[in-house]
Amino acid sequence: QKEVEQNSGPLSVPEGAIASLNCTYSDRVSQSFFWYRQYSGKSPELIMSIYSNGDKEDGRFTAQLNKASQYVSLLIRDSQPSDSATYLCAVYSNSGYALNFGKGTSLLVTP
Amino acid sequence: EPEVTQTPSHQVTQMGQEVILRCVPISNHLYFYWYRQILGQKVEFLVSFYNNEISEKSEIFDDQFSVERPDGSNFTLKIRSTKLEDSAMYFCASSDSGTSGSTDTQYFGPGTRLTVL
Repeated sequence: QKEVEQNSGPLSVPEGAIASLNCTYSDRVSQSFFWYRQYSGKSPELIMSIYSNGDKEDGRFTAQLNKASQYVSLLIRDSQPSDSATYLCAVYSNSGYALNFGKGTSLLVTP
Repeated sequence: EPEVTQTPSHQVTQMGQEVILRCVPISNHLYFYWYRQILGQKVEFLVSFYNNEISEKSEIFDDQFSVERPDGSNFTLKIRSTKLEDSAMYFCASSDSGTSGSTDTQYFGPGTRLTVL
């Protein structure tokens, strides 16, 4: 079973600060990485995808991928209380059909 | 914006009964998936479906489960003889394609909360 590991948190940051969420994965051949946001009782909502080493920016969000170290991170700049949610890291299985999810990191942005 | 829809939003059933969860994937998508999330646990893959057949299934997806695309728009998950431990949120997802090593984003529906009493 390929594992995706995340710190469960909660991670608490003040409004306006940068939130940094981390994820490690065990399968060296993984190629596709996704960050989803999940509010309590709701479904996963895509935040970002990343496939190449380095940084990818989209608005207040930056995903960072380091395949050599097998980690992927998500930075949220200017954090808002509405960003308070659980952030799920997901990696495609070798077959390319199944997404393997981490347990998620709970983020709390305090006003 | 196109979205995945699921019905019902909440299903309550008695242990041993059969349930059918329904999904309408995004219209031009070719791959369909079911995931489940037991309360407080991670999202778990159940099955993927392409071209009217299962392309991958997890260990969870045993003979109790089946999937079907009965027409051009619906995708269903049937759970036979439900057990207490089947209580979970069931999410349907779809993607443009799902070839090996896929980079395609999977878009999730709102989920069906299944409660088995």
